[in-house]
Amino acid sequence: AQSVTQPDIHITVSEGASLELRCNYSYGATPYLFWYVQSPGQGLQLLLKYFSGDTLVQGIKGFEAEFKRSQSSFNLRKPSVHWSDAAEYFCAVGVSRVRDMRFGAGTRLTVKP
Amino acid sequence: DAGVTQSPTHLIKTRGQQVTLRCSPKSGHDTVSWYQQALGQGPQFIFQYYEEEERQRGNFPDRFSGHQFPNYSSELNVNALLLGDSALYLCASSLVEGRNPEQYFGPGTRLTVT
Repeated sequence: AQSVTQPDIHITVSEGASLELRCNYSYGATPYLFWYVQSPGQGLQLLLKYFSGDTLVQGIKGFEAEFKRSQSSFNLRKPSVHWSDAAEYFCAVGVSRVRDMRFGAGTRLTVKP
Repeated sequence: DAGVTQSPTHLIKTRGQQVTLRCSPKSGHDTVSWYQQALGQGPQFIFQYYEEEERQRGNFPDRFSGHQFPNYSSELNVNALLLGDSALYLCASSLVEGRNPEQYFGPGTRLTVT
């Protein structure tokens, strides 16, 4: 069965420091991969997506992610974190052209001043 | 260009009652998916509607049902509410065909069952 694992429940980084959020998936074929961000009490905003092609994808707000097929990973990175990046981050895998999206449990990011 | 809208924003119901949540998709989208997000968890796929029919369903009981109207808007109905149904219910819309099949999410409806 398809599944998504985000190993880190909570991460704290200092403002200006770099960030990497981990995501591993289990799926038989090349999946559609997504990262979403959710602020408290809000819906989900798409940060970036991978469908095919270049394995390093750029998203909004300075985020990027790299698809590594050999490791079944799609880690999210940002070179310099801003206080406004504090939120919950979800990795998701899309099955059958996104008819059924599976989400990880999320990683909560706290940014220290 | 309006995004995905959901109503109501918040809802409080009693165990055993029934509830209806509503969703209007992003302009131009024809597919609506519903997700349940319990506190501290990721969204769980409930079902997806296209052409007024349910075409994919997650692991949810028959108490959860839905409908899609000709204008592509959708309703989620939950019967015989349980305490465990308390969650944020998210609606997402997409295009069944197209170069970018990602889903756009609404702000959600917070359901509390007491």
